[in-house]
Order: sequence, then structure tokens, then C-alpha cells
Amino acid sequence: AQSVAQPEDQVNVAEGNPLTVKCTYSVSGNPYLFWYVQYPNRGLQFLLKYITGDNLVKGSYGFEAEFNKSQTSFHLKKPSALVSDSALYFCAVRGPGANNLFFGTGTRLTVIP
Amino acid sequence: DTGVSQDPRHKITKRGQNVTFRCDPISEHNRLYWYRQTLGQGPEFLTYFQNEAQLEKSRLLSDRFSAERPKGSFSTLEIQRTEQGDSAMYLCASVPAGGRAYEQYFGPGTRLTVT
Repeated sequence: AQSVAQPEDQVNVAEGNPLTVKCTYSVSGNPYLFWYVQYPNRGLQFLLKYITGDNLVKGSYGFEAEFNKSQTSFHLKKPSALVSDSALYFCAVRGPGANNLFFGTGTRLTVIP
Repeated sequence: DTGVSQDPRHKITKRGQNVTFRCDPISEHNRLYWYRQTLGQGPEFLTYFQNEAQLEKSRLLSDRFSAERPKGSFSTLEIQRTEQGDSAMYLCASVPAGGRAYEQYFGPGTRLTVT
């Protein structure tokens, strides 16, 4: 069975500071890992993915994520947070051969001006 | 705006009534997914279509739920005899054929409130 854990319901960070949103996963085989962002009254938007290759992947809006196989983690990062980054962030995993995504419970990021 | 649209955006209904939601995916996308998202949770997979064929259904999709994609374009999700536990955001996502099939483009969702 596949699962995703986002241990923090809420992350607060000051504008301009680096941010990290944590995600750990459990899946049989090599995972496909994703981050999505959800703004109020808007659909989920794809940020970035890890399929294979470099452990550090870059995505939209200056976000990046680091895949760590030994720690089964896929933390989302950004060097300098913007107030406009405030939103709900979801980590998701797709196991080998699976057709659907399995999402974590989400982390609400608040960037404080 | 991802290009996936859902209608209606909000629906309030009384327990026991039937409701139907519509999803219009991006036109060149052949795969379509339905998810349900309750408060404080991430989206949960309900069902998946490739063209008009419904290929997979979650155990969450009880017999009161039915989904169709008759011409391989838009899809409908119907809930019969709604219950208060059906209150949630229902999300649709479409996926292009080929190598980027794992990148799902989500619509804004239909928020269902069952009173």
C-alpha cells in the first residue's frame, strides 16, 4: 500500500526567509512523487515532480524539492518565501503501475510579511 | 486556470436527494479522474476513465455513486440518495495521453453540502 505523511498541519515563515514543507512516503518500488498547491477557490496546481534522475528537482514559482530515498522523504523548499506563497500544499505519491495519485493531508503555509 | 472546468461550483441539497456534477476536461486529454476532498484531508481517488472506459473504481465509490464519460469528453458524477457524509469538494482532473500522464490538471471543484 502507498501512503504519504505531511507531519505539519501548519507552517509559518517570515517573508524572505527560506521555507521547508515536509513530506515522507511509503510505497513499494520506486515512487513517483509530486507537490501540488491549492489556493482558495482554485483547483490544485501542479508544482513539481520526481520520477527519476537528480534528487533535487525544480518546479514552478521558484520551488524545489529534494528526494531522499534513505529517509523516504520529499521535502518542498524555497530559498526566499513570498507572501503570495501562502496556500495549502499537498504532497502526493503514485506507486509503480498505479493509475491514481495518493495525497497527504496537506500543510497550510503562511508567509508573514 | 488549468483549463479543466466543473459545474456547478457549489451545490446545496437536502439529504436523500440526487445530485449530478459535470467535468469538462482539457480537450486533448484522454484520461479523467474524480477525487473527493473532505475538510482537512487531501483528495481521495474515486474513479478513473481512459476515453469513455471506466478503468478503475475506488472502494470509496459506493453503489450510490455512478460516473460516466459517454463520448470520451466530459464526465458526470451522480450521487443518489445523498447523505450528510457526502458533503465534500468533488474534484476532477484530466491527464494527457503519453509520457506526461502522471501530471494531473485539476478543475476548481464542486463543493457539495448536504443538509
